[in-house]
Amino acid sequence: QQKVQQSPESLIVPEGAMTSLNCTFSDSASQYFAWYRQHSGKAPKALMSIFSNGEKEEGRFTIHLNKASLHFSLHIRDSQPSDSALYLCAVSYQGGRALIFGTGTTVSVSP
Amino acid sequence: DTTVKQNPRYKLARVGKPVNLICSQTMNHDTMYWYQKKPNQAPKLLLFYYDKILNREADTFEKFQSSRPNNSFCSLYIGSAGLEYSAMYLCASSRGQGEDTQYFGPGTRLLVL
Repeated sequence: QQKVQQSPESLIVPEGAMTSLNCTFSDSASQYFAWYRQHSGKAPKALMSIFSNGEKEEGRFTIHLNKASLHFSLHIRDSQPSDSALYLCAVSYQGGRALIFGTGTTVSVSP
Repeated sequence: DTTVKQNPRYKLARVGKPVNLICSQTMNHDTMYWYQKKPNQAPKLLLFYYDKILNREADTFEKFQSSRPNNSFCSLYIGSAGLEYSAMYLCASSRGQGEDTQYFGPGTRLLVL
């Protein structure tokens, strides 16, 4: 079965710095890769997703996907205190019918 | 409106008693999901409805039931709660299946005593 792992478990970054989060998966046939963000006490919310190898940028957020190395990442440029949250990566499985999530990385951005 | 609602937000149940959790969405989404989330663990997919078709995960097949009486509502039913069911239960919906954005509700925190 698809296994999804995230690193690091937690991260403290100073305001304005780059935040980099990692996700590895086990099924090379996976087609869809996503990041979700959950602020404390709130529902998880989709942040970005990617289908193809390479890079996708939206504002301060960038996803990198390398299917050959079974790895994708999220980079947050100019991190803000409002970026402090739990970040969950997700990968499609069951032929794309559902997602399997990682355990999450807790990010704290210090002012 | 991309709101997914869950009721109740908190639930206290006794061991051996049934539990019924409710989820609703008004986005006319085809798929509704239920996840179980325990501290420091990944959200675990329990089951999902695609339209009227229920798909249950193999390792939770016998532990959870669900119904979807109409497009907007979906329930999660535990026939006999055990201590191990204490967790946050998250409902989500998406327009299509797994490769579409999922919209999550705020969750129901279940405590079984």
